[in-house]
Amino acid sequence: GQQVMQIPQYQHVQEGEDFTTYCNSSTTLSNIQWYKQRPGGHPVFLIQLVKSGEVKKQKRLTFQFGEAKKNSSLHITATQTTDVGTYFCAARDNFGNEKLTFGTGTRLTIIP
Amino acid sequence: DAGVIQSPRHEVTEMGQEVTLRCKPISGHNSLFWYRQTMMRGLELLIYFNNNVPIDDSGMPEDRFSAKMPNASFSTLKIQPSEPRDSAVYFCASKRTNTGELFFGEGSRLTVL
Repeated sequence: GQQVMQIPQYQHVQEGEDFTTYCNSSTTLSNIQWYKQRPGGHPVFLIQLVKSGEVKKQKRLTFQFGEAKKNSSLHITATQTTDVGTYFCAARDNFGNEKLTFGTGTRLTIIP
Repeated sequence: DAGVIQSPRHEVTEMGQEVTLRCKPISGHNSLFWYRQTMMRGLELLIYFNNNVPIDDSGMPEDRFSAKMPNASFSTLKIQPSEPRDSAVYFCASKRTNTGELFFGEGSRLTVL
């Protein structure tokens, strides 16, 4: 089945530093979504990217979809303690079904 | 508006016992997903339904697992018999067909001793 890899697995940053997580697929994707899961919580939808090369911003978060639609990244500028959690990408393949495969996740911890 | 509702939130049981997890999707959502989350394997899709019909159950680990959706407002995931390796958080999620966002429930944390 489809696999979606994320790196890094863990990231510890000083508060105020930037953070980036990368998501890679071996197959071309229909679209990609990003979710955030707080410790002890459930995944919460952040955004969906559909177009090749698409870039979207949400305040300090910047999301990018690769030109080949096989990779994506999430960048957080000037991290805050509220950014703590695990960030997942989730991909839907090109076969027109609803199946959403989650990446392995990047756990972000912030050093105050 | 109520979100996805799962029960129980926590379950501790002994190996060999039957476990039933329940999910009520958001009203109007016609796609429902069951995921399992563990440290080792991350978030795995077990099965999903469209309009109450199971579409893809390729993620169901083995015959001990079964899922049903008898109507648009209710789904169950059953494990019989349960084993310690089934210990995980089980999430139910729902969405409207042809929209992107998945709405997750708070999960059912299962511990099998």
